[in-house]
Amino acid sequence: DAGITQSPRYKITETGRQVTLMCHQTWSHSYMFWYRQDLGHGLRLIYYSAAADITDKGEVPDGYVVSRSKTENFPLTLESATRSQTSVYFCASSTGQGSYGYTFGSGTRLTVV
Amino acid sequence: GENVEQHPSTLSVQEGDSAVIKCTYSDSASNYFPWYKQELGKRPQLIIDIRSNVGEKKDQRIAVTLNKTAKHFSLHITETQPEDSAVYFCAASRRSQAAGNKLTFGGGTRVLVKP
Repeated sequence: DAGITQSPRYKITETGRQVTLMCHQTWSHSYMFWYRQDLGHGLRLIYYSAAADITDKGEVPDGYVVSRSKTENFPLTLESATRSQTSVYFCASSTGQGSYGYTFGSGTRLTVV
Repeated sequence: GENVEQHPSTLSVQEGDSAVIKCTYSDSASNYFPWYKQELGKRPQLIIDIRSNVGEKKDQRIAVTLNKTAKHFSLHITETQPEDSAVYFCAASRRSQAAGNKLTFGGGTRVLVKP
């Protein structure tokens, strides 16, 4: 679905650097989410947002920061990247009404060296 | 918080046979149970979901069943085809504004359909 896009698709960064992953959706969905996907752990929730300026922690928030100044954007920032944050990151959105299913972005594969 | 367990972690079936994936959840207040399919290198995509007021739902070759008392739900794929090969994730959530519509995912099942 072209309505939710993530950038970049691939990123290599060094330990200690700050990196921001971008997520943009065109549907005006209220809810947005960040998950990380690691082998053996499935998809784990990092942060989520119910609306602009409303964010909350998920299962694994340490080392990450989010903001949501506009409904359509939900960037995820790694303040000081660590090797343990090497992962595939998925952004998702949901209307929060009717069907509660998520639509995922294409993902960002982040490697911290 | 919610905890979702998924079994098996890998499943190999012969083309044409059925595949069954089972999940259990811990939060009795969970009321929405979607299933996602993820092909290699792609994003997870919703294939079917069920709400707690329904015991079974079908969509062509896939079906999901829910047992609220036992807190488990299952995905059934009949007449499997090679294109069914993927990783499947179950998930659970409490559909409410207060709960934030958060999905908790199981660990995934890698399904391989052998021709």
